[in-house]
Amino acid sequence: AQSVAQPEDQVNVAEGNPLTVKCTYSVSGNPYLFWYVQYPNRGLQFLLKYITGDNLVKGSYGFEAEFNKSQTSFHLKKPSALVSDSALYFCAVRDNYGQNFVFGPGTRLSVLP
Amino acid sequence: DSGVTQTPKHLITATGQRVTLRCSPRSGDLSVYWYQQSLDQGLQFLIQYYNGEERAKGNILERFSAQQFPDLHSELNLSSLELGDSALYFCASSVQSRELFFGEGSRLTVL
Repeated sequence: AQSVAQPEDQVNVAEGNPLTVKCTYSVSGNPYLFWYVQYPNRGLQFLLKYITGDNLVKGSYGFEAEFNKSQTSFHLKKPSALVSDSALYFCAVRDNYGQNFVFGPGTRLSVLP
Repeated sequence: DSGVTQTPKHLITATGQRVTLRCSPRSGDLSVYWYQQSLDQGLQFLIQYYNGEERAKGNILERFSAQQFPDLHSELNLSSLELGDSALYFCASSVQSRELFFGEGSRLTVL
């Protein structure tokens, strides 16, 4: 069965600095990987996905993620953090059969002014 | 706006009661997924429907049931409610199991 780990409950970063939110996964076969963001009292919003192709995936709001097959990781990055990026971030994986998306526990990002 | 509509947004009820949560997927999406989000459990997959048929089942309690209707909207029925059922319930839809698009959720409070 597939699984997702987000090793950090909380990430703090100063505004203007680069940010990284970590994700590692376990899945049979080729992974389909996703990042979502959740603002308070809102639903999850899709940020980006990796299906195949370039290991560096660009998404919404200036976010990008790097797929590393050997390390089974899919870390979310942004070159310059904004206070408005403060939110809960979820990594998710879907297996080849596509029946189930499994989400990580979430990482709370705080960008300090 | 994701295009996925959930009602009601908030619901307060008592233990032992039954509630129904409704979800309308994005136009054209055949798959509907239900998730439960609570503070201590994270985002838990409950159940998935595809074009009216159950496709996958997760950690859904026997007191909970769901269905997807011919017009593709879905309902999640929660019965014999307990305090621990208080949570945010999300519906998401997708086409061909690509990325999920989530509704804004239904916040259930059981008193």
